[in-house]
Amino acid sequence: QVTLKESGPVLVKPTETLTLTCTVSGFSLSNARMGVSWIRQPPGKALEWLAHIFSNDEKSYSTSLKSRLTISKDTSKSQVVLTMTNMDPVDTATYYCARIVKFPGYYFDYWGQGTLVTVSS
Amino acid sequence: QSALTQPASVSGSPGQSITISCTGTSSDVGGYNYVSWYQQHPGKAPKLMIYDVSNRPSGVSNRFSGSKSGNTASLTISGLQAEDEADYYCSSYTSSSTVFGTGTKVTVL
Repeated sequence: QVTLKESGPVLVKPTETLTLTCTVSGFSLSNARMGVSWIRQPPGKALEWLAHIFSNDEKSYSTSLKSRLTISKDTSKSQVVLTMTNMDPVDTATYYCARIVKFPGYYFDYWGQGTLVTVSS
Repeated sequence: QSALTQPASVSGSPGQSITISCTGTSSDVGGYNYVSWYQQHPGKAPKLMIYDVSNRPSGVSNRFSGSKSGNTASLTISGLQAEDEADYYCSSYTSSSTVFGTGTKVTVL
């Protein structure tokens, strides 16, 4: 049974750095066809892809947020960590991690429940 | 990475068919057969409904189907049911990253 679960602070202050952890089970982060993405959704708005990481440590970031994002993984702990610097109230959103299956194909087949992060002083 | 364009809302009566479009460019939708569709009910995480343009995951109703022509992908829901009322998002692979659509609210009248 594949599961992903996000954890991290529910409230951060402007200019602070956000650190979110995605703990996965039911599959290995060393699987060549699978990776983990972070995706966010501001209240009442659309999904926005942020970053992904694969078993070979291939990483990719949203062009608009690249300077603020860092994604990493600890395969032994089955965890993927996303950090976002210089948080702003517009970064208030539900943050999801999702499993990616790639090549052949490319899609997010399992999602975490999401964690709402509010940015406010 | 501009968002893919979807209609803001689509509605239909129970039993009818509706189609949601998802328009991108030759760099995303038109360039790869890697379009997927997600259903999201209020307060819930998105759920994969269609992958790689037209494939249905196990457990997804065959009332959901997908297609693509050029830079536009489509999701069709046939035999609309009350439980289909939700937000729907398309997504496409694009040069080592992903882009989502603007989202469509489906209302069952």
